[in-house]
Amino acid sequence: EVQLVESGGGLVQPGGSLRLSCAASGFTLSSYSMNWVRQAPGKGLDWVAYINSGSNSIYYADSVRGRFTISRDNAKNSLYLQMNSLRAEDTAIYYCARDEWPPYFQHWGQGTLVTVSS
Amino acid sequence: EIVMTQSPVTLSVSPGERATLYCRASQSVSSSFLGWYQQKPGQAPRLLIYGASTRATGIPARFSGSGSGTEFTLTISSLQSEDFAVYYCQQYNDWPRAFGQGTKVEIK
Repeated sequence: EVQLVESGGGLVQPGGSLRLSCAASGFTLSSYSMNWVRQAPGKGLDWVAYINSGSNSIYYADSVRGRFTISRDNAKNSLYLQMNSLRAEDTAIYYCARDEWPPYFQHWGQGTLVTVSS
Repeated sequence: EIVMTQSPVTLSVSPGERATLYCRASQSVSSSFLGWYQQKPGQAPRLLIYGASTRATGIPARFSGSGSGTEFTLTISSLQSEDFAVYYCQQYNDWPRAFGQGTKVEIK
């Protein structure tokens, strides 16, 4: 069974940093591209970042480019999102999602909540 | 950047009735690269449709997708109690992989 489990969320002050992790099981992470998607409280879905299997193709939403870094460790079956210079508007549940082909997100984690507040 | 616009924002429907949700792209999207998701409160999104019209595994036949170019539609033929939720479209044709703002299907 495919499982994605996010962790690392919490309360952080504006300007601070946080590193999210997504632990993958039930499949070989190295065979799949991955994404981060977020959802602010009471709002819609917001795609954040993408990384391909070899980490040589990476894309970001404009709102996070230059502040967030997506990475992966296939040997550890893990996906990461390093978030720096956090703002109040980054407050959201952050989901990791597996990329399929043709592209769609069949598998999602349960999400981890990031709250940016002083 | 492709912007996805869904309508209506809220749809009030009685159980057993048909619901039609719309998704418009600001630029043409390949049909292969359009998906629909359902989300219930406190849950992660669930894939319903990919490739504009292909039902995901385990999705009931009452859900159907259609459309091409810039206009896409999700139809729920006979609403069941478990279908009241928020629905999102998403394009994968270009970066960023934008979602629509969602349509909330509520009980009338």
